Amino acid sequence: EDQVTQSPEALRLQEGESSSLNCSYTVSGLRGLFWYRQDPGKGPEFLFTLYSAGEEKEKERLKATLTKKESFLHITAPKPEDSATYLCAVRAPNKRGANNLFFGTGTRLTVIP
Amino acid sequence: SQTIHQWPATLVQPVGSPLSLECTVEGTSNPNLYWYRQAAGRGLQLLFYSVGIGQISSEVPQNLSASRPQDRQFILSSKKLLLSDSGFYLCAQTGPTNYGYTFGSGTRLTVV
Repeated sequence: EDQVTQSPEALRLQEGESSSLNCSYTVSGLRGLFWYRQDPGKGPEFLFTLYSAGEEKEKERLKATLTKKESFLHITAPKPEDSATYLCAVRAPNKRGANNLFFGTGTRLTVIP
Repeated sequence: SQTIHQWPATLVQPVGSPLSLECTVEGTSNPNLYWYRQAAGRGLQLLFYSVGIGQISSEVPQNLSASRPQDRQFILSSKKLLLSDSGFYLCAQTGPTNYGYTFGSGTRLTVV
């Protein structure tokens, strides 16, 4: 069965304290791994897409990497405004062969000033 | 650009009452549309998806139904709400390939 697991569930960092979020997956026919940011009471907002092992993407203080079994979201010198829930999703065929996104439960990040 | 409109933003309904949540999208014609539910402490669960007018696929058995009466309109309904239907409901459409999906702002439903 296709699965996406994110860890840790929650992470508290001091401002400037770098860390990484993990997303491990077991899917058949991966067609992209996506990272989203979700603020409380809002819909997810797109951050990155990764397609193949070894690929990396960067945006400001965030860098996403991908291996054959997992992805990491590295946060360098975070600021309080980086506080949010970070969601990982994989696109893979469902039972009917259509591509769907399967989400992990997210990591709730809190950055303390 | 792709924009998704969802309403209402917040809804409190008694058990046994009906439900209708509406989603309209702008941008690409004939988009693939999705309804997701996000329960507290759980990930986004795909409820329904639609590849065209009148075409609905259900991913999980439940108390809800969906309809797509127009190309850019997707409706989530229930005849009688259950407590377990409480959650955050998100409508989404397929975005540019590299974006996965584009999401609406969501509806927070509380069944009391």
